[in-house]
Order: sequence, then C-alpha cells, then structure tokens
Amino acid sequence: SAVISQKPSRDICQRGTSLTIQCQVDSQVTMMFWYRQQPGQSLTLIATANQGSEATYESGFVIDKFPISRPNLTFSTLTVSNMSPEDSSIYLCSVGSRNSGTDTQYFGPGTRLTVL
Amino acid sequence: QQPVQSPQAVILREGEDAVINCSSSKALYSVHWYRQKHGEAPVFLMILLKGGEQKGHDKISASFNEKKQQSSLYLTASQLSYSGTYFCGSSTSNTGKLIFGQGTTLQVKP
Repeated sequence: SAVISQKPSRDICQRGTSLTIQCQVDSQVTMMFWYRQQPGQSLTLIATANQGSEATYESGFVIDKFPISRPNLTFSTLTVSNMSPEDSSIYLCSVGSRNSGTDTQYFGPGTRLTVL
Repeated sequence: QQPVQSPQAVILREGEDAVINCSSSKALYSVHWYRQKHGEAPVFLMILLKGGEQKGHDKISASFNEKKQQSSLYLTASQLSYSGTYFCGSSTSNTGKLIFGQGTTLQVKP
C-alpha cells in the first residue's frame, strides 16, 4: 500500500485562525479523502478531494469552512478556517487503492488539532 | 446513513473468541473493516464485496450477508495485539466513499 504522510502531526491554534494540513502520498492515487475524528468518536467523511476540480463535500461540511486543494495525484491540503474549539479533532487523509475490484482506503497518520 | 455496530464494547481474555456485527439499512456494495489503536490511524483489515463472501487472514475473518445487509467480523483465539477499536465502513456503490460505524472497542486481557 502507499506511504502517506501528513503535516503537521499536531498543532495548537487560537480561535479565529486557520490551519492548513498537508497530505502527501508516495505514489499517484486516484482518490483522496479527508475525515474528521472527534475524541472517542468514529470517522466522519468531510469531502472527497478531486484532482483538477472542486472537492465534493458531505452534508454538514462547506467549502468556506474546509477549503480543499488537490493540485496533483500525490498531494492534497485541507484548511480548517476561522477555527473554534469545536474544531478540535483529529483530521485524517486517506487514499483509495484498488483491492479485489473495488477501492479501499488507507489512512495517513492524522493531524491532531487543538483549538483554544 | 451510518451503519450500526454491535456490541459497543467487548472485554476478552487471551484465547477467547469475539464477533463484531455491522448492520446497514441500505443496500451495500461493500464492507470494509479497520482496527484503530489508541493514538494511531485506522489500519485496513479486509474488504468484503456483495455476494455473501467470507474472507479471512490469520485468526481474523469476516462474512457479508447481502440479504441481511450485515457483516460480521470474527476474531478467534484472541491475542493481546487484537485490542483496539474496530470500525466497519460501508459503501453503497463502487465510488470508494465509505461511511463508518460508531466503532466497537475490544480489550484483550492476559
């Protein structure tokens, strides 16, 4: 499977500021996704990062709050804008890899965000 | 819609068996199982496609009952390393997009 890295691994930010999280893959992948995992909770899909076009957001997530870029097949960024303490979470990127005829996902190590 | 996992938590002794269930109200295309240890990213275990297949590796296997829209993960002769939170991710089409269940916490004690 692909090797996935994320930067930063963790950060503590002040409310009202923005943070950009980077996701880098060591090989070209078709699909990249961004998830949020609040403490003790499950994984919630934020959006699908589409290469060369706008991301596809899930219900409850909007581009103004979570702008996503995907300039090529190995890299994507997620920005958490105008942060509030409710945005404190782990943010994970995942990449799709074909497995048994369908796409499964492999996760990056995550970015632990604390908003004060 | 989020799949429902049961039980929410399991405590086992080494060598005991466990079953974790994942049910959906929607017709499923595939079910993906992951294990997440505290402070780490989820790790892919296996994928099951519609067709009712059963898969396994080592002492962890899974089945997918398409009619019941349910998948079960079987852990046999559990080891301490099996401890963690297990998530099922469901897909209703071949888009790669997954919706995850709420998780089942498994603790294996010596």
